[in-house]
Parts: sequence; structure tokens; C-alpha cells
Amino acid sequence: DAMVIQNPRYQVTQFGKPVTLSCSQTLNHNVMYWYQQKSSQAPKLLFHYYDKDFNNEADTPDNFQSRRPNTSFCFLDIRSPGLGDAAMYLCATSRAILMGSEQYFGPGTRLTVT
Amino acid sequence: AQSVTQLDSQVPVFEEAPVELRCNYSSSVSVYLFWYVQYPNQGLQLLLKYLSGSTLVKGINGFEAEFNKSQTSFHLRKPSVHISDTAEYFCAVSEVAGGTSYGKLTFGQGTILTVHP
Repeated sequence: DAMVIQNPRYQVTQFGKPVTLSCSQTLNHNVMYWYQQKSSQAPKLLFHYYDKDFNNEADTPDNFQSRRPNTSFCFLDIRSPGLGDAAMYLCATSRAILMGSEQYFGPGTRLTVT
Repeated sequence: AQSVTQLDSQVPVFEEAPVELRCNYSSSVSVYLFWYVQYPNQGLQLLLKYLSGSTLVKGINGFEAEFNKSQTSFHLRKPSVHISDTAEYFCAVSEVAGGTSYGKLTFGQGTILTVHP
């Protein structure tokens, strides 16, 4: 089945130690999104890629970076994680950014910062 | 800017009872509307969406929602819930056109539906 895969499902990192979360998709969608979801809160969009074009949300901290080396893969890099960055990180894809395209979500990576 | 308000943070119901989860939105332009479900420690799954046409939209798992433009609402309903419907439900909107927010989903705060036996 075509799907969105996130690895790892659970990640523990130390305060200030860089961490990378991975997302891959077999849907061949041209848009990929990264969301941060803190406990009991709505998902918050951090940034998205439309093909190779990177679009950062205005309030996304500089501590968060992303890479998309090809259509299938997208990475979220947190350069110096703080305790406040502990959250579920959701990757999503959509076929196009137009016409109300459905977003397909991965299972998420739960990040713990110690 | 668009915003979404889910009026109930938690909704407890008994199995086989009907349920309605309420969602109101605010936007200066036309919107697309979505309901997603999230089971514990999982990603979001689309239940249904409204893009245009009939205001009553049917989705998966027996859910349906009605778009009411005058009341800017998109309430989710199910006539008879099951234990397996216990999850968190998110309403989301996307603006139809314009600017850098094109296609961006804005989510409500979520409603936790708990179905009791």
C-alpha cells in the first residue's frame, strides 16, 4: 500500500543535542509538510515543500530546519532541542497544493528531550 | 486569516448513541473544510471533506458532516457510535485561493470523543 512512513516512531534526545527525524512516502506526492503537535493541542505547521521549493511558516523557530533530497524523502532537523520541543512530529503529503487536496499523514515521531 | 473553533474539548457518549462534534470557522474567503480523526499515538486520518456541491458530506466509518455557510459551521455527526470511535477529532480549514497560505490547513483544537459501553 502507498503510504507515508516516519522513522523512528519514538526518539529520545538530550537537551541541545541535534536530532533528525525522517519521513518517506510512496505516494509520489509533490508536497510534503512537517507539523508539530504538542500534548492536547492541534497540529501546527512548521514548513512545507512544494517539489524543491521550501516554504517556512513565519513563526517557526530557526532551530528547526528541513531537507528534501528527492521526491520521496524529507527530513526535519532540530539543531539544539530544548525541553519545549518535546512533541509529536507529523509528516504529511499531498498531491498538489491546489483545490483542497487531501493531506496524507504518517504515524508521527514522538520526540522526548531529556 | 482563517481560524477554527471546536466548541467541545471532550464529548463522552454511550455506545450506540448519536453524537455531534461541533466546528465553527472564520475566514474572509471561501474555504475547504475537513474532519480528521487521530487514534492514540497515530497520525491523522481523513474522515471527510467539503470542497463544493452538496452541503451534506458523507465520510468513512458512518460519519457525515453538514456545511452551513450562513452559520460558518461544519458539524460532524454519527447516528450510532461504537467503542472503536473513541479518538480525537480535528476540524480543519483550507482557504480556496490566494496568497502564501494557499492550501495550508488550519486545525481546530480537537475534540476527544470517548464512547462508553
